[in-house]
This record gives sequence, C-alpha cells and structure tokens, in this order.
Amino acid sequence: GQQVMQIPQYQHVQEGEDFTTYCNSSTTLSNIQWYKQRPGGHPVFLIQLVKSGEVKKQKRLTFQFGEAKKNSSLHITATQTTDVGTYFCGGSGGSYIPTFGRGTSLIVHP
Amino acid sequence: DGGITQSPKYLFRKEGQNVTLSCEQNLNHDAMYWYRQDPGQGLRLIYYSQIVNDFQKGDIAEGYSVSREKKESFPLTVTSAQKNPTAFYLCASSIGLSGGNEQFFGPGTRLTVL
Repeated sequence: GQQVMQIPQYQHVQEGEDFTTYCNSSTTLSNIQWYKQRPGGHPVFLIQLVKSGEVKKQKRLTFQFGEAKKNSSLHITATQTTDVGTYFCGGSGGSYIPTFGRGTSLIVHP
Repeated sequence: DGGITQSPKYLFRKEGQNVTLSCEQNLNHDAMYWYRQDPGQGLRLIYYSQIVNDFQKGDIAEGYSVSREKKESFPLTVTSAQKNPTAFYLCASSIGLSGGNEQFFGPGTRLTVL
C-alpha cells in the first residue's frame, strides 16, 4: 500500500534559524496536505498542494510539491517560538484518503 | 459556532471493558474519520465514513467498531479485542473525500486502559 515517509523525526533549532521537513511517497499522489499540531493540541490544516511543481507561501512558510508528485517539503524561514509543534504531511492517492507521515517535531530554542 | 467535538478529553477504563468515544460535528460534512496517534507513529487511520450508514475499515481497524446513523455523529467503540488500546484518539471530518478534502480535527480523547 501507499507509504509516506517524513524526515527528520525531530529538529532542534535556535530561534531565527531556518527549518525544513521533507515528505516522500512510495506512489504518485493526487494531492498533499500539511498540518501543524501544537504540543497537547490537535492537527490543524495548513495547506493543500495539487499541481506538479507547485509552490505556495504563507508568510514565513514555503510549501513545495515535487515535479513527479511523489515528494513535498515545508520550509520555515527565521523560526520563532510560536512555530513549535509537530508538522505532518498527508498524501492522497486515488482513494483521496490521506496517508500521513510520522511527523517532524520542531523544537525552537530562544 | 461550527466545529467538531470529542468527549471526554480523558478516559480511563479497566482492561477487558469496551468503551465508546464520542465524535460530533456541525459542519455539515459528509466524510468523517477516526485516527489513532501514538508517540512517534503519526496518525493511523482506524475507520472512515463517506456517508450516513456507510463506513470502511482503515489501516488498523482490528479491535474497533463504528457506526454512522446520523450525519453529524461517528462514535468509535474500542473493544476488549484491541490488544493495546491506550492511545490518543482523534476524530476528523471533511466536506467529502474527493477534491478539497481538508480535514478538520476534534480536540481528541486520551484513552488509558489500566
């Protein structure tokens, strides 16, 4: 079945440094979604990418979908303490049910 | 105020007992989902439902059961057959399965089986 791998599992950064998490699928995806889960909270939708090579920005966050629609990345520029949390990618194939990666936990040191 | 609710937030049960977790949404969404979250495991799909009176098994359905008698409700029963039920359970909903299937998550229920 479809598998979605996400790396790294954890990332420690100093406030102001950049952060990137990567998502790779074993199969071609119809779309990919990104979610953020704050400590003790629940996942909250950030964005959905659909087109091959698509790039979307939300303030300091940049999301990319690979040309082959099998990988994606989330990049945060100049991290802040409010960025702390676990970032999940969820890739959907033909069934449109997302398969989630294990998430990347971002720890920002002030 | 639209949203998705789960109750209770924390639940304790003795081993061998069945327990039902509540999930309600007033977003008028057709699709609803149950996920299990364990540390370092991400979100694993237990069951999902596209429409009332219909539901499908996810990746880890063994030891769980669901019902979808009403559009707004999708309760999950953790049965005594589930070998390791202690986990954080998340319910979610989306407009449908295809197209813009952004998922809205509830606050979760943390189940501890003693």
